[in-house]
Amino acid sequence: EPEVTQTPSHQVTQMGQEVILRCVPISNHLYFYWYRQILGQKVEFLVSFYNNEISEKSEIFDDQFSVERPDGSNFTLKIRSTKLEDSAMYFCASSIGTEAFFGQGTRLTVV
Amino acid sequence: GQNIDQPTEMTATEGAIVQINCTYQTSGFNGLFWYQQHAGEAPTFLSYNVLDGLEEKGRFSSFLSRSKGYSYLLLKELQMKDSASYLCAVRWSNTGFQKLVFGTGTRLLVSP
Repeated sequence: EPEVTQTPSHQVTQMGQEVILRCVPISNHLYFYWYRQILGQKVEFLVSFYNNEISEKSEIFDDQFSVERPDGSNFTLKIRSTKLEDSAMYFCASSIGTEAFFGQGTRLTVV
Repeated sequence: GQNIDQPTEMTATEGAIVQINCTYQTSGFNGLFWYQQHAGEAPTFLSYNVLDGLEEKGRFSSFLSRSKGYSYLLLKELQMKDSASYLCAVRWSNTGFQKLVFGTGTRLLVSP
C-alpha cells in the first residue's frame, strides 16, 4: 500500500542551526502538508502546498520556515535557525483532496 | 473561532462499545475527520463526514449533525489494540479549504 515516507526519523540539532526535514508523498497526490505535534499536545497545521506553491499557512509558519518541492517526488520543510521551542514531532501528509495520509514523522530535538 | 471539544480520556472493556463525542464551531464547516493515533506514531485516517448521518466502516462508525456542530465516533467490539488517542479534526472554509484543525484528542484505554 502506498505510504508517505519521512527522513530522518530522529534529528538532534543545536539551537540556531538549520534543519531540513524530508518527505516523499504518495505519488499521485496533489496536496502536501506539514503538521507538528509538541510532546503531549495536539497536532497543529503548519502549511499546505499545491501546484508548486504554498496555498495556506498558519501563524506558526513564520519567516524561519520554508517549504520546497525540489523535484517530482520530494517535499521538504526547512527551519532556518532552530529554537528550543521548535522541538516537536513533524508530520508530512499528502492527499488527493479529501483525507490526508500522514507519514511516520520526524522527531526534532533542539538542544 | 476554531474550537473543537472532545473528552480527554475514556475507559472501556474489551468487547464493549464506546462512543467518543466531538463538538465544533458550525460557521464555515467544510468536513470532519476522525483519526487514530497510537503513542509515538502518526495519525491514521479512520473516517470522513461532510453530510449529516452515519458512515459505517467495519467496527467503526462516525456520525455527523451539521446543525448541532456535533459528531461522534462509535467503536464496537473493542479490542486491546484499540487503545489509542482518537483525534477529531475539522475543516472550515473560512480558515482555509485544506487546513485541518485538530482537537486535543481523546485517549481511550481498553482493559481486559
